[in-house]
Order: sequence, then structure tokens, then C-alpha cells
Amino acid sequence: TQLLEQSPQFLSIQEGENLTVYCNSSSVFSSLQWYRQEPGEGPVLLVTVVTGGEVKKLKRLTFQFGDARKDSSLHITAAQPGDTGLYLCAGASRGSQGNLIFGKGTKLSVKP
Amino acid sequence: EPEVTQTPSHQVTQMGQEVILRCVPISNHLYFYWYRQILGQKVEFLVSFYNNEISEKSEIFDDQFSVERPDGSNFTLKIRSTKLEDSAMYFCASSVRTSGSTGEQFFGPGTRLTVL
Repeated sequence: TQLLEQSPQFLSIQEGENLTVYCNSSSVFSSLQWYRQEPGEGPVLLVTVVTGGEVKKLKRLTFQFGDARKDSSLHITAAQPGDTGLYLCAGASRGSQGNLIFGKGTKLSVKP
Repeated sequence: EPEVTQTPSHQVTQMGQEVILRCVPISNHLYFYWYRQILGQKVEFLVSFYNNEISEKSEIFDDQFSVERPDGSNFTLKIRSTKLEDSAMYFCASSVRTSGSTGEQFFGPGTRLTVL
């Protein structure tokens, strides 16, 4: 069974701090997607990484896919209260017909 | 910006009753999915659907579940005889390509199903 482990589970920081959250697996994924989910709402896609070692930037968010395509990280620079939310990673296996495997998420709280 | 829509937003039903959850995927997308999220737990895959047939399903998607694309726009999930443990948020998603081909999945806002 493929699993994605996210860490930390909870993170509470002050506005302006930097942070990194991790998504790890023993399995190889053909792609990995990062989502943000607000309470009672659906996941909103942030980015997809496909190539091992790939780095993508979305304003203050930097996403990296591990060289072996088994892990990924999300780094936020100068966090703002608006970054507060649940960050989910989800992996797709090669040949999958849509079975995204989700991690449990990192719940981020940014205090002003 | 195109988005996936779902109705109803909240459905309350009695155990043993049938429910149908509805979704309108993004119009040019070809692949459709259902996921569920039990309160406090992770999002779990149920089923993927392409070209009017199921392409992949999980162990959760047993004989009580079925999916259908009754017309050119709607995609439905039916639970024939609901159980208490079916209470969850159900999310519909769609993509242009399969996730195995790096097709990005876009999720709807969800339907909260409560089984009493």
C-alpha cells in the first residue's frame, strides 16, 4: 500500500517567519500535487511537480520534488496570516487511472 | 475561471436510504473522480471514470456505490443503502488527462453527507 507521510502535522508560527513542510513516501510517484484545503471546502490545487529534482515557485511558495520522486517539500517565505490553512500533498502512481493518494496534511497557523 | 460544482452542499438521510450526489465537472475535462473525506481523516479515492466507464476503483467502492454520467454535463455518485459509516464529505474532481499522465485534478466544494 502506497502511503504519503506529511510532517509536521501541525505548525504554528508568527507572521514573517519561514517554514518548510514535508511529504515523504517509500514509493515512487509519476507526479505529485500540492493542495490547500479550507475547513468544509474542497482541496484547491496549488502546483503539480513531475520531474525528479523539479522546483516550482508560486509567489512566496517554493515546491520541490525529490530526485527519486519519492518526496516533496513546500517552503513558504515570510509567512502571512492569509497562508493559514491545511496543506495536502497527493501523489499519482505511474499508470494510475486517477487514484490520487493523499497525505493527512499539515495544518498551518500563521499568527499576526 | 471554470470550476467543478457539486449539489447538494449538505445531504441528511436515514440509514438504509438511497442518495445521489451530483457533480458538474469542468466542461472540457474527460476524466472524472469521486473521493471522500471522513471528518478528521485524509482524502480517500473512490473511483475514476472515463469514456462512460469506470477505469479504476478502490476497495471502498463496493456494490453499494455506483457512478453515472447521465448526460453531457452531470456526473453522479449513488449510494444504494446508506450506512452510518458513509457519513463524510464527498468530493468530485475532474481532469483533462489521467493523473498517471500528470493530469491535474480540480476538486469541487464537496457534499457533506450525514447518515442518521
